[in-house]
Amino acid sequence: GENVEQHPSTLSVQEGDSAVIKCTYSDSASNYFPWYKQELGKRPQLIIDIRSNVGEKKDQRIAVTLNKTAKHFSLHITETQPEDSAVYFCAATKEVTGGGNKLTFGTGTQLKVEL
Amino acid sequence: GAVVSQHPSRVICKSGTSVKIECRSLDFQATTMFWYRQFPKQSLMLMATSNEGSKATYEQGVEKDKFLINHASLTLSTLTVTSAHPEDSSFYICSAKSRLAGGVETQYFGPGTRLLVL
Repeated sequence: GENVEQHPSTLSVQEGDSAVIKCTYSDSASNYFPWYKQELGKRPQLIIDIRSNVGEKKDQRIAVTLNKTAKHFSLHITETQPEDSAVYFCAATKEVTGGGNKLTFGTGTQLKVEL
Repeated sequence: GAVVSQHPSRVICKSGTSVKIECRSLDFQATTMFWYRQFPKQSLMLMATSNEGSKATYEQGVEKDKFLINHASLTLSTLTVTSAHPEDSSFYICSAKSRLAGGVETQYFGPGTRLLVL
């Protein structure tokens, strides 16, 4: 089955700096890679995702890059703000039309943006 | 759109009792829902995939007789923790697949249910 590794486990940055979280996956058949943000005691919220037909996707201060050859993908947050502080999870799955498409999650990164 | 609700949000029960958790897709139909378990400061661990009108598919190591799943309609899946014990205390989160415009499927999560077994 799929195995997703995520680094770092904790990340502390100064407000305004950039933050980068990296994930690797094992199954070359995986083709969908979402990123979730989870605040303490709350539900994971989808913040951005990427499919294997593109190498990069950007949404305002958030971007995700995908390297299919190396089987790794990264989340980039620019101009970090205190409200970006949360746990971030990467995930991977092989999307199949009508299939279960269960996600395999990384272990999470606790991001802290300091004033 | 794509709102998923869970009920209850928090439950405390005595050891040996059963607890039912509901997961509803409020504004879309979900043929597939997923149940996760999350321990403090850990990742989400998939317990089972719930398919409307059929038996759930359980992940390895998850006891199907312990964690009963029923997906009776396209908007409701329930997880029943039977004969709960303190080690079952955890944060249980469901998710549902929604097909967005353009045919893209995305998973949306419920707010979670915190279970404490005394």
